[in-house]
Amino acid sequence: DVKVTQSSRYLVKRTGEKVFLECVQDMDHENMFWYRQDPGLGLRLIYFSYDVKMKEKGDIPEGYSVSREKKERFSLILESASTNQTSMYLCASSGPGTGYEQYFGPGTRLTVT
Amino acid sequence: EDKVVQSPLSLVVHEGDTVTLNCSYEVTNFRSLLWYKQEKKAPTFLFMLTSSGIEKKSGRLSSILDKKELFSILNITATQTGDSAIYLCAVPVNFGNEKLTFGTGTRLTIIP
Repeated sequence: DVKVTQSSRYLVKRTGEKVFLECVQDMDHENMFWYRQDPGLGLRLIYFSYDVKMKEKGDIPEGYSVSREKKERFSLILESASTNQTSMYLCASSGPGTGYEQYFGPGTRLTVT
Repeated sequence: EDKVVQSPLSLVVHEGDTVTLNCSYEVTNFRSLLWYKQEKKAPTFLFMLTSSGIEKKSGRLSSILDKKELFSILNITATQTGDSAIYLCAVPVNFGNEKLTFGTGTRLTIIP
């Protein structure tokens, strides 16, 4: 069974803080993704990575950066958190054996006050 | 610009009813369409459709794709409270990687 885990389920941070969200997958998948999910807006892609040290911007990369130093781990970084980054953050992974299917982690609900 | 639109945004029905959820898309190089169910946590995969007119079925859930009219429907018959969830539709974009564009989702609520 594919397992995607995220470092926290709930997180509360203050405006201006640097925030790290971590995602780990155990299926040796090449591709990893970070989304944010907001009511009425669905899932929007922030960044994705198709290999170690490779990254590409998604649809809403502003205010975020990512790091992929190891194949199994993909980190999302909020350099200076702002209240409009309060959201549910979902990580996903996929690989050659999954077709287009992505496997999701449980999500991190981040609140920035 | 690639686009996926779902309707309705939300739906409230009574247990036992049948529901139809809609997903329309505009993408270049269409390859497939995926449906996910999201309860409280991670979205879980339901179906992937690639061929027009062929129904995919899993228990009370079924889905069909119309590539000519660029849409898909997800049907749920004899709904149960456990069907309450957000249903997401997605299509792969940018040939060469597995990036998905998602619709806004339909929030389905089943009243006992």
